[in-house]
Amino acid sequence: AQSVTQLGSHVSVSEGALVLLRCNYSSSVPPYLFWYVQYPNQGLQLLLKYTSAATLVKGINGFEAEFKKSETSFHLTKPSAHMSDAAEYFCASDNYGQNFVFGPGTRLSVLP
Amino acid sequence: DVKVTQSSRYLVKRTGEKVFLECVQDMDHENMFWYRQDPGLGLRLIYFSYDVKMKEKGDIPEGYSVSREKKERFSLILESASTNQTSMYLCASSTRLGQGALDTEAFFGQGTRLTVV
Repeated sequence: AQSVTQLGSHVSVSEGALVLLRCNYSSSVPPYLFWYVQYPNQGLQLLLKYTSAATLVKGINGFEAEFKKSETSFHLTKPSAHMSDAAEYFCASDNYGQNFVFGPGTRLSVLP
Repeated sequence: DVKVTQSSRYLVKRTGEKVFLECVQDMDHENMFWYRQDPGLGLRLIYFSYDVKMKEKGDIPEGYSVSREKKERFSLILESASTNQTSMYLCASSTRLGQGALDTEAFFGQGTRLTVV
């Protein structure tokens, strides 16, 4: 089965600073990859997804992610953090088309 | 607007009770999923279904069962609730790759926070 790892369970950045959340996947065959965001007591909302088209994927709220096959990575970035970006972020992979595998999540705090 | 609806946002049940969590989607999706979310563990798959009356065990099926009698509805059943089943439960649905779908993604409900006392 696939596995997804996220480096850093908690990341803190200052408002206006670069956001970088790390994600690595395990498959030798590039899967579909996703970033989801979860606000407190809410379900998960899709930020962006990679589906083997462009390697640089742009999503909602100014986020983007780059698929790097050589590094088996799909890191999420945003040039300038906003207070409203504070949330939990999950990287996920499809699991050979059957279901979805999620990483453990990274909680993003944005400091004023 | 696509929607996955979970019947309850918050539930409190007693140990030993039989608990039903209901999920309905309006997108005509083939696949439906039940995940459990716990701090530091991310989302763990309990069961999933790729068609009516079909079910597959996920990573942590013990203590749970599911029912999918209609395409739009997927129910999670806790046969005899225990305190270690206190958690956030998330339902999701998706199209199935290879069934004419060019890509896929999971759409989530708002979650049910279950407390077993």
